[in-house]
Formats: sequence, structure tokens, C-alpha cells
Amino acid sequence: GAVVSQHPSWVICKSGTSVKIECRSLDFQATTMFWYRQFPKQSLMLMATSNEGSKATYEQGVEKDKFLINHASLTLSTLTVTSAHPEDSSFYICLVGGVGNIQYFGAGTRLSVL
Amino acid sequence: DAKTTQPPSMDCAEGRAANLPCNHSTISGNEYVYWYRQIHSQGPQYIIHGLKNNETNEMASLIITEDRKSSTLILPHATLRDTAVYYCIAKLSNAGGTSYGKLTFGQGTILTVHP
Repeated sequence: GAVVSQHPSWVICKSGTSVKIECRSLDFQATTMFWYRQFPKQSLMLMATSNEGSKATYEQGVEKDKFLINHASLTLSTLTVTSAHPEDSSFYICLVGGVGNIQYFGAGTRLSVL
Repeated sequence: DAKTTQPPSMDCAEGRAANLPCNHSTISGNEYVYWYRQIHSQGPQYIIHGLKNNETNEMASLIITEDRKSSTLILPHATLRDTAVYYCIAKLSNAGGTSYGKLTFGQGTILTVHP
């Protein structure tokens, strides 16, 4: 069964609105989760590391005020794209650690900003 | 984490074995080799990982050379559903075998399985 639940799977929004994406760890407690972004025909790029109970760590070039991350519990991390614009349209994916040294990805969220 | 190098694309006939190579010549002693694949518009799927020994599970086999500088992922009987981008990743892990650090992706290999 699924180890990581991510939703929504697809969202379309108007420019200027905010969108929240949820990533849930179903089978284990995750002190750390990761958020990736993937543009068409490109590989996955790490955006930020979500830390339970503390501030997220952002990769160079990722605006922390635009991509708000909240990791309030050991099973849930959220990524909020604030004031979304068309250039934010992308595929957003979370990564969660699991047992046996294996990490699992969510199914991804495709964001389309009009 | 060590850099990995993979061919950009490969073809395979359905029913045949698909052998996907990965070079990781600078891998350190406690870096594992992980393989994930991504089918179009989906999140990457874990396939297999290993440190030194060859590994096999229900999806694939992983062959790691003795010097650990390269490895090969083997899909024994490729199907059309195996068409995907395959990523080879070297990642540091601790002696206890647990590591929840980030995964760094290269460009991967686009495997196309044809009838």
C-alpha cells in the first residue's frame, strides 16, 4: 500500500492566489521530509528540507517567502506556493524516509497557474 | 554524495532483459547505490539499493562491481510498463543502515521498451 500520501494531485489556480500541497507519511514518523520541483523534460530539483518543529532549510535560489513550508507534526508537511504565477507551474513532489534505509516519494502535485 | 553518470537513453525489446549501467567512480565506502524510476507524470518509484553485494528483489537485480565504481540495474523481463526514466543515485548512509537524507538526481536514463 501507499507509504506517502500527497494531495492534491492536480491543481489549477489563477495568478496571484496561494496553493497548499500536503504530504503525509502514512506508516512512520518523519522528522524530515523533502520537497522537490520538476519542470517538463527536466530532472527533479530539491527545493527545501522540511524539519518537524523547526524552520525549513531552503536550497539556493528558492524563495522561502514564496514557498512556505510547515512541518507541524511527524506525519504531515505542507508546501504553500504563495501568490502563484505562471512560472511556478510545475510538478511538486515530496520525499519521506522509511524503514530499511528506503525513502519514498509522494505521487506528486501538478500545479498549473493561469 | 558521489556523482553518477548514466547513458541518456536506451531501448529494449519487450520480454528481454534490460541492463541499465551507472558509473559512480568516486563513490565512497559508505555510500549506497539506489535506483528509482519515474513513469511519466508520477512520483519516482523506489526499485532497489545496495552497498557491496549484488541484490535482487521482485522488481529487479542490482549488480555492483567489486571496486564499486559502477553498477548495473537489470530488469529481467522488460514489459511495456517498464518504459520510464531510471535514476541511479549514490547516497551516504550510516552504519546502522538508516539514512533519511536528500536524494540528488541526475538526468537519468530514458528506457523505452518496444513491442
